[in-house]
Amino acid sequence: GAVVSQHPSRVICKSGTSVKIECRSLDFQATTMFWYRQFPKQSLMLMATSNEGSKATYEQGVEKDKFLINHASLTLSTLTVTSAHPEDSSFYICSAITSLGNEQFFGPGTRLTVL
Amino acid sequence: GNSVTQMEGPVTLSEEAFLTINCTYTATGYPSLFWYVQYPGEGLQLLLKATKADDKGSNKGFEATYRKETTSFHLEKGSVQVSDSAVYFCARMNSGGYQKVTFGIGTKLQVIP
Repeated sequence: GAVVSQHPSRVICKSGTSVKIECRSLDFQATTMFWYRQFPKQSLMLMATSNEGSKATYEQGVEKDKFLINHASLTLSTLTVTSAHPEDSSFYICSAITSLGNEQFFGPGTRLTVL
Repeated sequence: GNSVTQMEGPVTLSEEAFLTINCTYTATGYPSLFWYVQYPGEGLQLLLKATKADDKGSNKGFEATYRKETTSFHLEKGSVQVSDSAVYFCARMNSGGYQKVTFGIGTKLQVIP
C-alpha cells in the first residue's frame, strides 16, 4: 500500500524557537495532504488541508501565521510551528490522498515537546 | 455537520473474549466508513473500510458492516489477543474525492492475558 513518512519522529525544542516537520509520500504523488494534531487521549483534530502549489486551507481556530504549511511538490508537505510554546506540545500527524481520492494514508506522526 | 459517535473506553477484555466497539455516523451524503488502529506511540493504520451500504470490511479477524438503516459501523472481533491492545478510531469521509475525514473520539482497548 501507499507509504507516508514523517520527519522527525520526535523533537524537543526550547520555547520561542521554530520547528519544521516534513511529510512525504514515498511511492505515490499526493496533490492533497492533511495535517492533524492529537492531544493525549483525544481524537485527531484536522488543522489544515495542504494542496500542492497553492495556499493551505486552515480549519477554524487554527492560526495560519503560527502553523505555516508549504506543499512545494507532489510528494512533500511541511508544517512549521513558529515561535513554539509549551502548549504547542502535541502529536502531529500528516496524511496524504492518492489520485483516486478515496482513502487517506497516514504518516507515523511527530511528537513535539516544547520546553 | 458530519460527525462520528464512538463509544468511549477504555474497554478491558480477557484474551479470546468477543469484542464490539460501537460507532454511528451522520448520514449526510454517501460516506465511506473506516476503522483505524493506533498502537502506542505510533501513527494511524487503516484497519478496514466499507464504501457503500451493506458492505462488510474485514482484516486481521476484525469485521464491520456498513448499516445504512441504523447509520452504524460497529467493529467486531470474535477472539481478541493481547496484541490487539490499541486505540481504535471510527471515521467517515464523504464521497467525491479529496474530502476531509471526520474521526470519532477513539476507543482504547486493553486485552489482558
